[in-house]
Amino acid sequence: EAGVVQSPRYKIIEKKQPVAFWCNPISGHNTLYWYRQNLGQGPELLIRYENEEAVDDSQLPKDRFSAERLKGVDSTLKIQPAELGDSAVYLCASSPHLSGGYNEQFFGPGTRLTVL
Amino acid sequence: AQSVTQPDIHITVSEGASLELRCNYSYGATPYLFWYVQSPGQGLQLLLKYFSGDTLVQGIKGFEAEFKRSQSSFNLRKPSVHWSDAAEYFCAVGASGTYKYIFGTGTRLKVLA
Repeated sequence: EAGVVQSPRYKIIEKKQPVAFWCNPISGHNTLYWYRQNLGQGPELLIRYENEEAVDDSQLPKDRFSAERLKGVDSTLKIQPAELGDSAVYLCASSPHLSGGYNEQFFGPGTRLTVL
Repeated sequence: AQSVTQPDIHITVSEGASLELRCNYSYGATPYLFWYVQSPGQGLQLLLKYFSGDTLVQGIKGFEAEFKRSQSSFNLRKPSVHWSDAAEYFCAVGASGTYKYIFGTGTRLKVLA
């Protein structure tokens, strides 16, 4: 079974430029998450999708960040314009539909963003 | 509110020595508890999880963890560390029936040959 796929793996941009990250979850997983992991920290949730619906985007900085999951499968996270503080690893995770509270998440390899 | 504390930022052990990584959580009910490992440049890989039942949980790569409700702890252990275990380890807590994970800040493990 293929795992969570993310691209690109690395991205270097100058501040004020736009950037986009792509994620393809495990087949059949309804729930998709985007996390940001700053250096020396644990991942922090940015947004969660149930199918194509963003059910929790309370931690997403909406002035510059946006995300979509149009067909309820793959997803794109965008930053426009990027700031120096956005340098981090952006992780995508997916999980099957919650059943009895079982909510294991499977993570992709992440995209390491460097903003110069 | 849920929270996770990993008090050790860095740990160094010799290859073949035993290992214990500490994790304390704060949560009002019985949480779901996880340990993940992250190698450099990689995503997070699940080592083990606790949902209910036996409080001693076996995971992959020879790891185990013990849930101690009285201490609000879920410490990760391995009897004999291998050089390939060098990585960063994250403890996470998830609320029952929800999607939300709260991660600790991680413990970076260094293994001496």
